[in-house]
Amino acid sequence: DQQVKQNSPSLSVQEGRISILNCDYTNSMFDYFLWYKKYPAEGPTFLISISSIKDKNEDGRFTVFLNKSAKHLSLHIVPSQPGDSAVYFCAASDDQSGGAQKLVFGQGTRLTINP
Amino acid sequence: SQTIHQWPATLVQPVGSPLSLECTVEGTSNPNLYWYRQAAGRGLQLLFYSVGIGQISSEVPQNLSASRPQDRQFILSSKKLLLSDSGFYLCAWSRPDRRAFFGQGTRLTVV
Repeated sequence: DQQVKQNSPSLSVQEGRISILNCDYTNSMFDYFLWYKKYPAEGPTFLISISSIKDKNEDGRFTVFLNKSAKHLSLHIVPSQPGDSAVYFCAASDDQSGGAQKLVFGQGTRLTINP
Repeated sequence: SQTIHQWPATLVQPVGSPLSLECTVEGTSNPNLYWYRQAAGRGLQLLFYSVGIGQISSEVPQNLSASRPQDRQFILSSKKLLLSDSGFYLCAWSRPDRRAFFGQGTRLTVV
């Protein structure tokens, strides 16, 4: 049962344009969502997060939008840069684990920024 | 600032051999610690987590075990590796604000 889904395995965007990565979830108990960026043979790097009490969080070029009714979140990168080329993972957690932050990850989307 | 160290970076082990991967966190006390695995072409799957010394919770049945002998040390072990244990193993810790941070990972190949 895939509780967090990233339905696009890959995305190609021109440099300077907006990149939009999407993520859907099924577990209504999830109340915290994170985006990670990962390069090959490295650990994921935290990008941005959002709590379910918000519908938008912005940090520089990165903005995450949360639509709780649709159980959908998206990451917008504006403007896209060549260094943004990586695999992006969406992750979610609930507050039911006695303080532990058990993340459920999507399958990842490979973003390629073309010059 | 907090840092997380994980080693080795790569490991090639024969089937049936033991395994020990180590992870340490610096700059914080009593962190929640985690082991994740990424199989080829897939997302990250939580294997174990620990909220304190000697406290281990397992998320999936498997051939692996975890231990936390010290506050900031987390170890992933196996007595006899299987081919299916191959993958990219990641240690992580989480802050009270619920952000989780990962180590650089260990690429394990069982041959």
